Amino acid sequence: GNSVTQMEGPVTLSEEAFLTINCTYTATGYPSLFWYVQYPGEGLQLLLKATKADDKGSNKGFEATYRKETTSFHLEKGSVQVSDSAVYFCALSDRGDSNYQLIWGAGTKLIIKP
Amino acid sequence: DTEVTQTPKHLVMGMTNKKSLKCEQHMGHRAMYWYKQKAKKPPELMFVYSYEKLSINESVPSRFSPECPNSSLLNLHLHALQPEDSALYLCASSRLGGSSGNTIYFGEGSWLTVV
Repeated sequence: GNSVTQMEGPVTLSEEAFLTINCTYTATGYPSLFWYVQYPGEGLQLLLKATKADDKGSNKGFEATYRKETTSFHLEKGSVQVSDSAVYFCALSDRGDSNYQLIWGAGTKLIIKP
Repeated sequence: DTEVTQTPKHLVMGMTNKKSLKCEQHMGHRAMYWYKQKAKKPPELMFVYSYEKLSINESVPSRFSPECPNSSLLNLHLHALQPEDSALYLCASSRLGGSSGNTIYFGEGSWLTVV
C-alpha cells in the first residue's frame, strides 16, 4: 500500500541555518504530495503542495520538489527562524472512492534556537 | 479564503456527559472530515462525509456520533467517553474532484479532555 517515510526528529538548528527535512513515499498511480505544519497548541496548516512530478511547491520561504525518480518530496528552507519551530508532516493523497484521503508521515519536530 | 472554524477550542467533560463539537466551512467544499490527533502524532481519520452523506467510518466507537446537517456544517456528538479519548479533534474539508480537489484544509481543532 501507499506510505510516507519522514526523517526522525527532533531536528535542532540555530537561527539562520539551512533546513532539510527528508520525505520519501511509495505509491501507485500519481498522488499529490503535501507538507503540513503544526505550531505549538494549534491545528494543522497546509504549508505547500505539489500535484505532479517536477512541480515545486513553495510558501513562507519553504520549498519542496516532487521527485518521481527518487520518490521524494524533501522540505527545504534557506534560513530558518525561531518562529519556524513546529512539527512538520509530509503527506500524500490517496484517492479512495470519490474522496481524497491523506497518508501521513510520522512528523518531524523542528526546534530552532536563537 | 481557506477557513475551517471549530468550536469550542477547549472542552473538559466527564465520562457521563454528552457534548458536541462543531465545525463550519464556507468554501463550498462538499467533503468534510473528522480526525483525531494524539500528542504530536499524525492525525487519524475518523469519519468522512461526501455530499452530506457519511461515506467513511474508520471503525470508530459508537460513543462518537457524527452529523452533517448541511453542506457547511459538521458536528461530532460525544457521549460516555473514556479518558483515553482525550485528544485534539480536527475538522477538515475539501473539494471533490477537479484538479485541486485533493487539498484538505484543517481547522484549528478542539482540545478535548475527558475526566
